[in-house]
Amino acid sequence: NAGVTQTPKFRILKIGQSMTLQCTQDMNHNYMYWYRQDPGMGLKLIYYSVGAGITDKGEVPNGYNVSRSTTEDFPLRLELAAPSQTSVYFCASSYSTTEAFFGQGTRLTVV
Amino acid sequence: AQTVTQSQPEMSVQEAETVTLSCTYDTSENNYYLFWYKQPPSRQMILVIRQEAYKQQNATENRFSVNFQKAAKSFSLKISDSQLGDTAMYFCAFMKLNTGNQFYFGTGTSLTVIP
Repeated sequence: NAGVTQTPKFRILKIGQSMTLQCTQDMNHNYMYWYRQDPGMGLKLIYYSVGAGITDKGEVPNGYNVSRSTTEDFPLRLELAAPSQTSVYFCASSYSTTEAFFGQGTRLTVV
Repeated sequence: AQTVTQSQPEMSVQEAETVTLSCTYDTSENNYYLFWYKQPPSRQMILVIRQEAYKQQNATENRFSVNFQKAAKSFSLKISDSQLGDTAMYFCAFMKLNTGNQFYFGTGTSLTVIP
């Protein structure tokens, strides 16, 4: 019963560094999402995917990139980390009209 | 983008009492889904309840029920017999049915259950 797995759980980056947040799901869901959560702001959609090979921008895509080479994996790439990207990141997946299942989140701090 | 508004940043309720959390949304869509998620201090997002817009009957899940008013674009969550474990952040979410089935979230209501 792994569900949606995100790694790492915590990370500190220096300004200008790059990193990849990993996300994998074992439920064969076609839809996958990346959100960021900032205090008082709720969750904002960064990128989403409707299936392998298909991705699209959400509400706040600037500074991020994604890929979806398989149904299971949906990594999020930060190329040049900035303090504004300090946030908690959530990966989620869903199947058709079901609810979204979330990973446990990654707390990222950019200093 | 769709807009989801939760106008109560913080609420509190006595244990065993009933509390209602408010949510309104703005959309021109006729068919969509609405959700309430709970986020305890562990940070895990947990589904509380789900409502299909085409169903007039309000969804219920044990102590949790919703009041869905489609014309008013309102979707409130009622928690009955509040328990200490209900202390959490609660998010209202709207899912638009299209090629991406994106979820749009409100800013959340922090609920504290007082012993």
